[in-house]
Amino acid sequence: SQQGEEDPQALSIQEGENATMNCSYKTSINNLQWYRQNSGRGLVHLILIRSNEREKHSGRLRVTLDTSKKSSSLLITASRAADTASYFCATVLSGNTPLVFGKGTRLSVIA
Amino acid sequence: DAGVIQSPRHEVTEMGQEVTLRCKPISGHDYLFWYRQTMMRGLELLIYFNNNVPIDDSGMPEDRFSAKMPNASFSTLKIQPSEPRDSAVYFCASSPNTGSTQPQHFGDGTRLSIL
Repeated sequence: SQQGEEDPQALSIQEGENATMNCSYKTSINNLQWYRQNSGRGLVHLILIRSNEREKHSGRLRVTLDTSKKSSSLLITASRAADTASYFCATVLSGNTPLVFGKGTRLSVIA
Repeated sequence: DAGVIQSPRHEVTEMGQEVTLRCKPISGHDYLFWYRQTMMRGLELLIYFNNNVPIDDSGMPEDRFSAKMPNASFSTLKIQPSEPRDSAVYFCASSPNTGSTQPQHFGDGTRLSIL
């Protein structure tokens, strides 16, 4: 079964607006990662947040992690048409185990 | 670095045929992963290797699927015989580790259609 579940499944916004995607997971994690997938391409790593971190920034991206609620959010500020993609969260359970991916949020940014 | 390279990008074949997908990981990465992506099931881990040795193949759907890594720069995923339900996008990824502290790097996938 999926460890991470993204919400919403699909999101459509206007260029310039902020986009927020959420990820919930079921068990304790080592770290949580967010990936982007453009149509017809492979996944690209965006950001990694460790279980002892609460917030992390990278350019227009802001990721938060709440381990008590077993949830994370990805905020993209001032969205652009080029941000149109699917966004996946992936979790690493304790130890050296492989990533487990959610099913993703499809983001459409309309110019 | 060239990134993870997969071939072919697209494959269309008839049911019952043998299909071989190829992957060249990033040099120096000790881990290689094979995934399958479908709308219904999302991204599924099929098998992963550490230093060319298969570690976990519990995600391989059935005996028709096999994967090899004869050396550090090459891996194959083979389906024999292929069935229409195998139609999906297959991704290869590599990483210095399983993802516990380092991200995975994905190829652009092979879109497989079994008629």
